[in-house]
Amino acid sequence: GAVVSQHPSRVICKSGTSVKIECRSLDFQATTMFWYRQFPKQSLMLMATSNEGSKATYEQGVEKDKFLINHASLTLSTLTVTSAHPEDSSFYICSARRTDDFYEQYFGPGTRLTVT
Amino acid sequence: GNSVTQMEGPVTLSEEAFLTINCTYTATGYPSLFWYVQYPGEGLQLLLKATKADDKGSNKGFEATYRKETTSFHLEKGSVQVSDSAVYFCALKALPDFNKFYFGSGTKLNVKP
Repeated sequence: GAVVSQHPSRVICKSGTSVKIECRSLDFQATTMFWYRQFPKQSLMLMATSNEGSKATYEQGVEKDKFLINHASLTLSTLTVTSAHPEDSSFYICSARRTDDFYEQYFGPGTRLTVT
Repeated sequence: GNSVTQMEGPVTLSEEAFLTINCTYTATGYPSLFWYVQYPGEGLQLLLKATKADDKGSNKGFEATYRKETTSFHLEKGSVQVSDSAVYFCALKALPDFNKFYFGSGTKLNVKP
């Protein structure tokens, strides 16, 4: 149990376009989901926390107008990278917290975004 | 501030060798400490955790002890297997926000038969 999926696993897009990444909790309900970004050989950095039905909370330095997060249901959160540029190329990972377990987070496999 | 430093990889070992992956931390107050593992193509999975000083987390033959005096949480396994090949992340949660994980940069382990 507690499986989180992400779609797509890899995406290549042209500079200036937008791309949407989905994060789904497959077998549990997740009131809260988290979006992380990972650069090569670096830590996962938390970008934002999303709560179902409310606005996401962004970490300092993360542009909320560039990284749009929607958490419309208890099993789905989406991250849209708007007007993507090559410097947005990265590995994006989501995690989800069960509604009945505050402590643990379950991670998705990540999405590799390449902006050309 | 809160941060985690772990040894750079990759670490390459032969099967049945002893494994140590070093992890040290800086944290506000009394953090909770974690090791996560990521197998190829999969999400991070919790391997073990410890929530207070001197606690030992263990799972699947892996162990780590929460050492407050040295601010460390080193991962060890007595005899690694090829199936242990993965990336290992040390992480912590601490004040002021226990929602938030702070991760190390990950250490890739390659185990050769």
